[in-house]
Amino acid sequence: QVQLQESGPGLVKPSETLSLTCNVSGGSVSSGSYYWSWIRQPPGKGLEWIGNIYYSVNTNYNPSLKSRLTISVDTSKNQFSLKLSSVTAADTAVYYCARLNVGNIFWRFDYWGQGSLVTVSS
Amino acid sequence: EIVLTQSPGTLSLSPGERATLSCRASQSVSSSYLTWYQQKPGQAPSLLIYGASRRATGIPDRFSGSGSGTDFTLTISRLEPEDFAVYHCQQYGGSPSFTFGQGTKLEIK
Repeated sequence: QVQLQESGPGLVKPSETLSLTCNVSGGSVSSGSYYWSWIRQPPGKGLEWIGNIYYSVNTNYNPSLKSRLTISVDTSKNQFSLKLSSVTAADTAVYYCARLNVGNIFWRFDYWGQGSLVTVSS
Repeated sequence: EIVLTQSPGTLSLSPGERATLSCRASQSVSSSYLTWYQQKPGQAPSLLIYGASRRATGIPDRFSGSGSGTDFTLTISRLEPEDFAVYHCQQYGGSPSFTFGQGTKLEIK
């Protein structure tokens, strides 16, 4: 059974960099059939896709966040990470890591972490 | 960017009733890339329906998805108490765009 678990600071100051890590168990971040993804949900609002990483080097980012965003993979630890720079209060959200399954032509986020609340505040 | 609009925003029904949730896209979406998720309070979303009509592993057959093009529907044939949650639709519109609807809250009447 695949499991994903986010970790990182719950409080970040404005203008600083938000950093989160997702530890993957029960599957490999090097697998070719999956993209490793970040999705966020501001309090009381809907879901927003942040970006994906594939085959450890190929990344796709939400254009609205691209200039501030870096997603990377550490295959030795079987984890992937998110860095979002120059944060503001608008970046306050629950951040989820998820696996995007692209097998059999059907693309879907089939496994999710439990979520990590990050608050941007001084 | 393809915008997904879900309706209604909130649906109030009783256990045993039938629920019909709508997801409308601003442009045509491939059925292969239309997905529904269920989210219970304090939990992550979980995969419900993918490819517009295919139930994920372990999902009861009272859940069904249908539609094509710009109009998609999630139907719950007979509501169980555990079905009251928020439902999100999501689409993939070509690299690098994934978008979600704003969600429909299904609440107990």
